[in-house]
Amino acid sequence: GAGVSQSPSNKVTEKGKDVELRCDPISGHTALYWYRQSLGQGLEFLIYFQGNSAPDKSGLPSDRFSAERTGGSVSTLTIQRTQQEDSAVYLCASSLAGADYEQYFGPGTRLTVT
Amino acid sequence: GENVEQHPSTLSVQEGDSAVIKCTYSDSASNYFPWYKQELGKGPQLIIDIRSNVGEKKDQRIAVTLNKTAKHFSLHITETQPEDSAVYFCAARSGGFKTIFGAGTRLFVKA
Repeated sequence: GAGVSQSPSNKVTEKGKDVELRCDPISGHTALYWYRQSLGQGLEFLIYFQGNSAPDKSGLPSDRFSAERTGGSVSTLTIQRTQQEDSAVYLCASSLAGADYEQYFGPGTRLTVT
Repeated sequence: GENVEQHPSTLSVQEGDSAVIKCTYSDSASNYFPWYKQELGKGPQLIIDIRSNVGEKKDQRIAVTLNKTAKHFSLHITETQPEDSAVYFCAARSGGFKTIFGAGTRLFVKA
């Protein structure tokens, strides 16, 4: 079946511009996660959705970052007024129900802020 | 805060040799330890996991061991093949939804 998809695969933007990154989870997966992976680094947890609600937003690096999920499916991560330090690969993962289920990752969106 | 340390950052082995990657975690409440393999341009993929009520788990050429007392867990790959070359991540979770990842190990298997 279809896995987690993310779009765009690559995004180059100028400093100060806003960007939107999209994640389509596996059908039926109610849990959705966003991570950031900087070059050569591990995965940094950003936010988690259970259904449409996000019980924990503590991983978002600043108030320039926000995320929403509608209809319990597609999620959008928005970065406002992008900075060069926002350059990274943004990964989305989804799983059944929550904590005890395997997370399936998408291929990521590579964001470059010039 | 919670932390997972992973070593080595880079590992180069000859085809057929074994590879071992080690991780330590700080949160004693951690009870689930997945390992992920990430190939170039792809998202991480779960390869094996272990829960805190088990000390060792094996799946063909891959095994994971867990020492809860020392808060250590390790990935062992035997009879390595060139296709095992990738970045490997350990992770720890403490029953909630938040998974803490190590910084990754880049494994090179030389043919």
